Amino acid sequence: DIQMTQSPSSVSASVGDRVTITCRASQGISSWLAWYQQKPGKAPKLLIYAASSLQSGVPSRFSGSGSGTDFTLTISSLQPEDFATYYCQQANSFPPMYTFGQGTKLEIK
Amino acid sequence: QLQLQESGPGLVKPSETLSLTCTVSGGSISSSSYYWGWIRQPPGKGLEWIGSIYYSGSTYYNPSLKSRVTISVDTSKNQFSLKLSSVTAADTAVYYCARWEIAVAGTDYWGQGTLVTVSS
Repeated sequence: DIQMTQSPSSVSASVGDRVTITCRASQGISSWLAWYQQKPGKAPKLLIYAASSLQSGVPSRFSGSGSGTDFTLTISSLQPEDFATYYCQQANSFPPMYTFGQGTKLEIK
Repeated sequence: QLQLQESGPGLVKPSETLSLTCTVSGGSISSSSYYWGWIRQPPGKGLEWIGSIYYSGSTYYNPSLKSRVTISVDTSKNQFSLKLSSVTAADTAVYYCARWEIAVAGTDYWGQGTLVTVSS
């Protein structure tokens, strides 16, 4: 099974800061990685798919990069509404077994 | 606009079977472009993929839950369902149904989630 490890598990930042979250796969997954944002009491929201493609309607301050085993999600200039928990999810395998990372909580400094 | 809605009991006794249904509206479940699946989140914890189903009925399960999980689809009702047997307190979670777009390789639509508590 492919395991996904995110770092850090939590991060504190201020409005306007640039933040990077990392996700590492236990084996190569090409570019089959998605990123989600989840706010308390809400379902996750798809931000990035195929490692670097921005989902429709998502602000351009969100970007993704990476391939193989190492991936990053970058928020270029934090806005108040960006404070949430972020998850990566691998989508490489067939049969489809879409493992999530453990999450990164982005908090206000 | 596509909508997914979970339904089912909010309280299940230990050792019994948890049963949930997801009703899809605003689109057809019988599309070759999507998997339909279940994801859960224990209180205060992360997301766990439970399993997925294709409209043809092909199923894919998390190996850690495979022995207890059954996912089925009813295309005539535009619904798919989850059964999780022999539940314990560790199965207490918010359960989400969701759509996975194969070409995008992402879960683009989610239900609002339903809390299922396992307790006697």
